This record gives sequence, C-alpha cells and structure tokens, in this order.
Amino acid sequence: EIVMTQSPATLSVSPGERATLSCRASQSVSSNLAWYQQKPAQAPRLLMFDASTRATGIPARFSGSGSGTNFTLTISSLQSEDFAVYYCQQYNVWPPLTFGGGTKVEIK
Amino acid sequence: EVQLLESGGGLVQPGGSLRLSCAASGFTLRIYAMSWVRQAPGKGLEWVSSIISGGGTTYHADSVKGRFTISRDTSRNTLYLQMDNLRAEDTAVYYCARHRDGFLNWFDPWGQGTLVTVSS
Repeated sequence: EIVMTQSPATLSVSPGERATLSCRASQSVSSNLAWYQQKPAQAPRLLMFDASTRATGIPARFSGSGSGTNFTLTISSLQSEDFAVYYCQQYNVWPPLTFGGGTKVEIK
Repeated sequence: EVQLLESGGGLVQPGGSLRLSCAASGFTLRIYAMSWVRQAPGKGLEWVSSIISGGGTTYHADSVKGRFTISRDTSRNTLYLQMDNLRAEDTAVYYCARHRDGFLNWFDPWGQGTLVTVSS
C-alpha cells in the first residue's frame, strides 16, 4: 500500500498571501496524483489531476507540481472561499486508492 | 448534468446490516468505474470499495473485505454498497464517486454523502 503524507497538518495564511501545501508518497506514483478541496459539511471537490492539470472550473490561482514522490499544491493568492481542507490522492497503484491525511488552510 | 445521489444511511446496531444506494444521472453508470469513499467524524477520507467497467471486477479495502459488497444495477443506473456485520468504526459519511473512465483514477464528481451511524 502506498502511504500518502501531507504537511503541514494546519497552515495559517492571511487572505491574499500564497499557500504551499505538500504531499509525499511512500514510493513513486509517477504523476498519478489528484488534489481535492473540502469545505465543512460538503463533499470533496476535485481541484487537480495528473499532478498539475486543473479540473474544470478551477481558478488559475491553484497550481500543482511534482512527480515521483514529492508534490505541491500552491494557491497563489488566497481568497476567502479557499479556506478549507485539502487532500491528495494517488491512483498509480491500486487497490487500494490512498489519500493523504489532509491539510487545513485556516485564516491567520 | 452529471449527478450522484446517495441514500440509505441511518442508525444501525453493531452486527447489523445496511444497503446504501447511489442513483446516477447524466451518464451511463456501466461505462465508468465507480467507488465508495467514507469519512469518519472529524477524520480524513478513506477509500472503501470500487467496481470497474465492463465485467465489473470489484475491489474492497482490507478494513471492509468480507463484510461489504459493492454492486451496480445497470437497468436502474444505480450503485450499491451492501454493508453487513457493521462495527462502530464503520460510522462515517459515505460518498459515492465516479472515475474518469472505466478504471480507477481520480474521483469526480462526488455525491453529497449519506451518514451511517453504528451504535447500540
């Protein structure tokens, strides 16, 4: 099983600032990585797939990078609606499909 | 518009059974791989079960293997999760989600979720 580790667990950022979230895989997942955003009492929403491709309707301030075992999700200028929990997920080797533990982006 | 609507959650005693349904609209279920993902209260996301397109091969997480069964009814365009011998640790919101194509990759879209509570 590929273990996904996200850091930090919580990120405190001021509106308008940049946020950088990390995701590490226990073994290479190539570029087979997705990112999701989840707000309270809502289902997760796909942000990014194939490590760096934005899903439909996702603003350009969200960008993804990385391959192999180290990945980054960057939000260039945080808006109020971006405060949420973010999860990474690998789909290179399955079963199982595995998620990271999440990073909560909160208002500083 | 592609939509997924889960139902069937509720309160059940330990050892009991429950069947979740996920009604799909806007697409043909049998063409896509589909999955169930759960989220325990205050916790992260956990993949539970998947069914791929074509022959419908199924996969289950070790934590539910032998207790949960994923299936689909193509005539009803509906996905199911039969949950037997439920435990307290199965308490969670259960989401159904579609994959990009017939195999397992990213999840998009997701349903709104249905809450399962296992308690005496």
